[in-house]
Amino acid sequence: KNEVEQSPQNLTAQEGEFITINCSYSVGISALHWLQQHPGGGIVSLFMLSSGKKKHGRLIATINIQEKHSSLHITASHPRDSAVYICAAHGSARQLTFGSGTQLTVLP
Amino acid sequence: EPEVTQTPSHQVTQMGQEVILRCVPISNHLYFYWYRQILGQKVEFLVSFYNNEISEKSEIFDDQFSVERPDGSNFTLKIRSTKLEDSAMYFCASNLDGNTEAFFGQGTRLTVV
Repeated sequence: KNEVEQSPQNLTAQEGEFITINCSYSVGISALHWLQQHPGGGIVSLFMLSSGKKKHGRLIATINIQEKHSSLHITASHPRDSAVYICAAHGSARQLTFGSGTQLTVLP
Repeated sequence: EPEVTQTPSHQVTQMGQEVILRCVPISNHLYFYWYRQILGQKVEFLVSFYNNEISEKSEIFDDQFSVERPDGSNFTLKIRSTKLEDSAMYFCASNLDGNTEAFFGQGTRLTVV
């Protein structure tokens, strides 16, 4: 069974700061998802990656398969980035195993 | 942009009552999922569905739960006799072939009283 751990659990940043959220998993995976959950509860997919790095706007996700580790970076953070960020591992089974999430608060 | 839609957004039910949560996955997707998130906890997998049958299910998905694709567009989760501990946000998701990006609905918040 895959264990997915995220850190930190909570993160407060000032607007403009560079943010990093980390995710590690215990068992080899086929892909890792980064998801965003807003206060209303809805979940939005940000990235799905199986190697290397992906970039979308101010968001960058990286993964190191050998180290079983992924990071989500936010450059030039903004208050609207405030949300819960969740990593989820896609293993041999098709369902996702979720981390516990990182609550990000960006202060103006 | 295609999206997964869920109804209702919020349901309150009496303990012991049956509830049906509804989802319309993205139209060309083949794999469908239900997940749940108890308040303050991780999102947990319940069940996956492919080719009109359950593909995988977790230990949470006991005999009180069932899923169905009654027509070409809807995907439902039924809880036969709700318990207080079934109170959670339930998310439907779908993807094209099981290994591609999953798209999530906005969730149904179920409150059992």
